[in-house]
Amino acid sequence: EAGVAQSPRYKIIEKRQSVAFWCNPISGHATLYWYQQILGQGPKLLIQFQNNGVVDDSQLPKDRFSAERLKGVDSTLKIQPAKLEDSAVYLCASSPMTSFNEQFFGPGTRLTVL
Amino acid sequence: AQSVTQLGSHVSVSEGALVLLRCNYSSSVPPYLFWYVQYPNQGLQLLLKYTSAATLVKGINGFEAEFKKSETSFHLTKPSAHMSDAAEYFCAVSGNTGNQFYFGTGTSLTVIP
Repeated sequence: EAGVAQSPRYKIIEKRQSVAFWCNPISGHATLYWYQQILGQGPKLLIQFQNNGVVDDSQLPKDRFSAERLKGVDSTLKIQPAKLEDSAVYLCASSPMTSFNEQFFGPGTRLTVL
Repeated sequence: AQSVTQLGSHVSVSEGALVLLRCNYSSSVPPYLFWYVQYPNQGLQLLLKYTSAATLVKGINGFEAEFKKSETSFHLTKPSAHMSDAAEYFCAVSGNTGNQFYFGTGTSLTVIP
């Protein structure tokens, strides 16, 4: 069974530029999560989708971050414009149902904002 | 609201010694609790989870954790550390609605040969 795929694995941009990350969850998983993991900290949930609907985006900085999950399968997370403090690893995870089931994580995208 | 606190950002143990990683939670509802492990440059992998069944939960790689409601704790243990256990460990909590998933700040485990 293929795992959660993320691309790119690494991205370096200048501040005020835009960037987008892509995630393809495990086939059949209804729930998809995006996390931000700043160096030395635990992952912080940014947004949770159930199929193509948003379940929780309370910690998403909506003035610059956006995410979509068209057709309830893969998802993109966008930052526009990026700030220095957005430097982090962005993790995508998927789950067959809700959080009390195991979340399967992708390898992450490491973003560096200069 | 839920949160978790992991005591000790770095823990060092000798190979073969007991591993104890501490996690305390705060939750206004019966929580679901999880331990994840993260190896360098990799995503997180679930070690074990508590979902209101047995209070002693056994996970992969010989790890286990005990849910103690009176102490609001969910500490992770392993009787004998292996070199391969060196990694970052995260405790996490979610509410029983399945939303509001929160991770702790992590504990880096070093195993000394």
